[in-house]
Amino acid sequence: DVKVTQSSRYLVKRTGEKVFLECVQDMDHENMFWYRQDPGLGLRLIYFSYDVKMKEKGDIPEGYSVSREKKERFSLILESASTNQTSMYLCASSFGSLRDTQYFGPGTRLTVL
Amino acid sequence: QKEVEQNSGPLSVPEGAIASLNCTYSDRGSQSFFWYRQYSGKSPELIMFIYSNGDKEDGRFTAQLNKASQYVSLLIRDSQPSDSATYLCAVRNNDMRFGAGTRLTVKP
Repeated sequence: DVKVTQSSRYLVKRTGEKVFLECVQDMDHENMFWYRQDPGLGLRLIYFSYDVKMKEKGDIPEGYSVSREKKERFSLILESASTNQTSMYLCASSFGSLRDTQYFGPGTRLTVL
Repeated sequence: QKEVEQNSGPLSVPEGAIASLNCTYSDRGSQSFFWYRQYSGKSPELIMFIYSNGDKEDGRFTAQLNKASQYVSLLIRDSQPSDSATYLCAVRNNDMRFGAGTRLTVKP
């Protein structure tokens, strides 16, 4: 079974704090993704990575950065958290083929006060 | 126009009925189509994928794809209360695009 894990299920931070969200997958997937999910807006892609040390911006990269130092680990960084970054953050991974599905982690619900 | 559109619902059907969920997409180059189910507070889980025009059946679920009309649907036969969830349509070309989801409620 594919397993994608995320470091926290719930996180509460204060405005201006630096926040790290970690994602680990155990299936040797090339691709890893970070999404945020908000009511009525669906899943929106923040960043993705096709290989180690490689990253690409998604639809809403502003205010975020990522790091992929190892194939199995993809980190999302909020440099200075703001209240509009309160959301559910979902990590996903997949093999490289266009036909391959994405497998999701359990999600991290981040609240920024 | 959104790249992947779904009726947000809520869609309510009685137990045992057929639930029909619809999705349209704008990218004609899309090659892979997926349906995910998401229970409240949980992450999406894959239930069906389809690549070719026509129908694909898996148990109580049938995915239907019409590339000419840029339309993909999911039918759930003999709906159960446990099917109550939000269903996300996803379409993949170079990257994956998700619809906002349709909330389905199956009433006992």
